[in-house]
Amino acid sequence: NAGVTQTPKFQVLKTGQSMTLQCAQDMNHEYMSWYRQDPGMGLRLIHYSVGAGITDQGEVPNGYNVSRSTTEDFPLRLLSAAPSQTSVYFCASSYSTGTYEQYFGPGTRLTVT
Amino acid sequence: KNEVEQSPQNLTAQEGEFITINCSYSVGISALHWLQQHPGGGIVSLFMLSSGKKKHGRLIATINIQEKHSSLHITASHPRDSAVYICAESNFGNEKLTFGTGTRLTIIP
Repeated sequence: NAGVTQTPKFQVLKTGQSMTLQCAQDMNHEYMSWYRQDPGMGLRLIHYSVGAGITDQGEVPNGYNVSRSTTEDFPLRLLSAAPSQTSVYFCASSYSTGTYEQYFGPGTRLTVT
Repeated sequence: KNEVEQSPQNLTAQEGEFITINCSYSVGISALHWLQQHPGGGIVSLFMLSSGKKKHGRLIATINIQEKHSSLHITASHPRDSAVYICAESNFGNEKLTFGTGTRLTIIP
């Protein structure tokens, strides 16, 4: 199993550009989530999904969009990048909700200039 | 609002020392997670527990539900244990995790 994969590993965007961070898992997990990690702060939840076709907002959803058309994939879209979105982004999955072991992707380091 | 606090924020110790990292949370939980983030950035799950104690190799995690407190212990610490250790909690009826800000551990040879 590849586990949770994320692409790209690094990305530099200009303010106003849009892009999609890809996340995929091959463990047939129902629960998938996106977090951002900033210095001095804990991981913060952006969006999450409890199954295909179902998504919901987390703590910091503004400026981000998600969809879940398949169990395997959970892409995160930045609609119009801003410098405040410079961060490291992690995708995670688990069998079902936060009460199960979490599996994290390797992360995407995004810089917005 | 759920809050998770970790202490210390930074910890430097000599190889072989016994290490304790603490985590306190504010509301009742369904599960408490301990995660490890290495300098390369990847995050791996170490433990998930809702009561008692779990052990894996030199790592031990304990939780006291009444006091809303969990500890991560490392015995015979080694430089390869140097990492950021993160605790996170989830609570009943809430699918989301709340994370602490992490404890940066450095083990000196």
